[in-house]
Amino acid sequence: NAGVMQNPRHLVRRRGQEARLRCSPMKGHSHVYWYRQLPEEGLKFMVYLQKENIIDESGMPKERFSAEFPKEGPSILRIQQVVRGDSAAYFCASSPRGLGQSYEQYFGPGTRLTVT
Amino acid sequence: GIQVEQSPPDLILQEGANSTLRCNFSDSVNNLQWFHQNPWGQLINLFYIPSGTKQNGRLSATTVATERYSLLYISSSQTTDSGVYFCALRTGGGNKLTFGTGTQLKVEL
Repeated sequence: NAGVMQNPRHLVRRRGQEARLRCSPMKGHSHVYWYRQLPEEGLKFMVYLQKENIIDESGMPKERFSAEFPKEGPSILRIQQVVRGDSAAYFCASSPRGLGQSYEQYFGPGTRLTVT
Repeated sequence: GIQVEQSPPDLILQEGANSTLRCNFSDSVNNLQWFHQNPWGQLINLFYIPSGTKQNGRLSATTVATERYSLLYISSSQTTDSGVYFCALRTGGGNKLTFGTGTQLKVEL
């Protein structure tokens, strides 16, 4: 019973590089959510996607961040030209249903991004 | 947006003690979850409990949606219970979870 998979688990990037974080939802789940946890803080919503669609990106920074969930393959969170303030844990969650329905979100182990 | 406050912010227990963690929220909810973030940073689903009471082993939870609070009970605490406990809510027709401020729990021998 594979849960939500994220890779890599740890990622180190120098300032100015790109970071790509991957998330494979639980089997049977077609709704994916990304959250960010800054050091010593709680998780903050970033974006909600279904296959090939961004449903809600109200929590995404306006620049340098993008997300996709293609028809085939994992969801990708991309951060361009990383800065030290991007250092955080990035969690992906999935659910079997979405907007307007009762559901539970299941979280992956997270990707810890360190920008040097 | 919705405000989610958890109390206490920090808690130290002796192994075997019981505790109650509280989550207060400012709006009606249609999804409430409790999570345990262990010292390695992993988020573990404890309960999905928009209303009512549930029990799972030494843990139980109660949500009184009309009074806008939820409680997490930990009985006979163990050192492996250490970590941060979050409640998280979804409101109205939205889809994102809003996380509370967390309770940092340390269980000592």
